[in-house]
Amino acid sequence: EAGVAQSPRYKIIEKRQSVAFWCNPISGHATLYWYQQILGQGPKLLIQFQNNGVVDDSQLPKDRFSAERLKGVDSTLKIQPAKLEDSAVYLCASSSPRLFTDTQYFGPGTRLTVL
Amino acid sequence: SQELEQSPQSLIVQEGKNLTINCTSSKTLYGLYWYKQKYGEGLIFLMMLQKGGEEKSHEKITAKLDEKKQQSSLHITASQPSHAGIYLCGADPSGSARQLTFGSGTQLTVLP
Repeated sequence: EAGVAQSPRYKIIEKRQSVAFWCNPISGHATLYWYQQILGQGPKLLIQFQNNGVVDDSQLPKDRFSAERLKGVDSTLKIQPAKLEDSAVYLCASSSPRLFTDTQYFGPGTRLTVL
Repeated sequence: SQELEQSPQSLIVQEGKNLTINCTSSKTLYGLYWYKQKYGEGLIFLMMLQKGGEEKSHEKITAKLDEKKQQSSLHITASQPSHAGIYLCGADPSGSARQLTFGSGTQLTVLP
């Protein structure tokens, strides 16, 4: 079974530029998550989708970050415009909701460097 | 909000030695997940604990959830260089088994 796919793996941009990340979850997984992981810290949830609907985006900086999951499969996360503090690894995870066994499986991440 | 504190923050051991990593929660743990991360890469799922007193093992890694369900430990027996990486504990803060809050991780180095 293929895992969670993410692209690109690395991205370097200058501040005020725009960037987009793509995620393809494990086949059949209805729930998709985007996390931000700053160096030396644990991942922090940005947004959670259930199929193509948003479950929680309370920690998403909506003035510059946006995310969508059209058709309930692939998802894209966009930053516009980027700031220096957005430098981080952006992780996508997916899960298949079943009561008390909701393990999240992570992709390899996209390392973003903002100069 | 739930906070997870991991200790130690970093650990350097000689190959073959045993080690323990702790994860302490500010609130009751409804589900505790252990992940391993290689630098700059994604998280690899290790184990999930749910019941107080529960213990699970996979190869040389054993994880326990204490009876009061506010602390978990990860124990590695006879460590190998392949065990090196960042170990992260994640907990479901609401009990709904839908979201995870993570600790800041423990960086493990195993010297050959």
